Amino acid sequence: AQKVTQAQTEISVVEKEDVTLDCVYETRDTTYYLFWYKQPPSGELVFLIRRNSFDEQNEISGRYSWNFQKSTSSFNFTITASQVVDSAVYFCALSDYAGGTSYGKLTFGQGTILTVHP
Amino acid sequence: DAGVTQSPTHLIKTRGQQVTLRCSPKSGHDTVSWYQQALGQGPQFIFQYYEEEERQRGNFPDRFSGHQFPNYSSELNVNALLLGDSALYLCASSLVRAGGVIGETQYFGPGTRLLVL
Repeated sequence: AQKVTQAQTEISVVEKEDVTLDCVYETRDTTYYLFWYKQPPSGELVFLIRRNSFDEQNEISGRYSWNFQKSTSSFNFTITASQVVDSAVYFCALSDYAGGTSYGKLTFGQGTILTVHP
Repeated sequence: DAGVTQSPTHLIKTRGQQVTLRCSPKSGHDTVSWYQQALGQGPQFIFQYYEEEERQRGNFPDRFSGHQFPNYSSELNVNALLLGDSALYLCASSLVRAGGVIGETQYFGPGTRLLVL
């Protein structure tokens, strides 16, 4: 069975601080997808990034960066120079790769509430 | 490019009643998945519809059922509502690639907030 753990329940930072959200996952699949979604107070889950399990190249996109380490089953997400608008609940999610038997069913972590204070 | 839409946005029901929630997928998508998100929790997979059939189901009782229409839109029905069914119900759409497997990211709608009294 797949499992995603986000150990940080809540994080509070002051604007312009960098913040890293941790995600640890468990799966028996050899190929899989990892995701980060953002959920603002409106409730809609906003897609941020998808990584394939065979692509460990880390990436920076604007103020966002991701650190995927297969050896430790971690997929951490960093916001640089945080802003008040970044305040939301962030979810890490896992699904099997195309060809798996779960047809892309997403398994989510419990979420991390990020509050950025002005 | 229209995103995923859901209706209604909010709903209040009483125990024992039945409810129907609706979802229209993102333009070009053909697969709809439904998730239940209880307060303070991550979303939990209910089921997925593709080609008008339920393709996979999560750990939810038979009171939860669904349907997909030829235009790919979908309905989620919940019978004999319980207090514990109060949650945000999220619909996600995606596109199936050749071979019948998911190849695209799932995009979510704004959700329907259901309160059971």
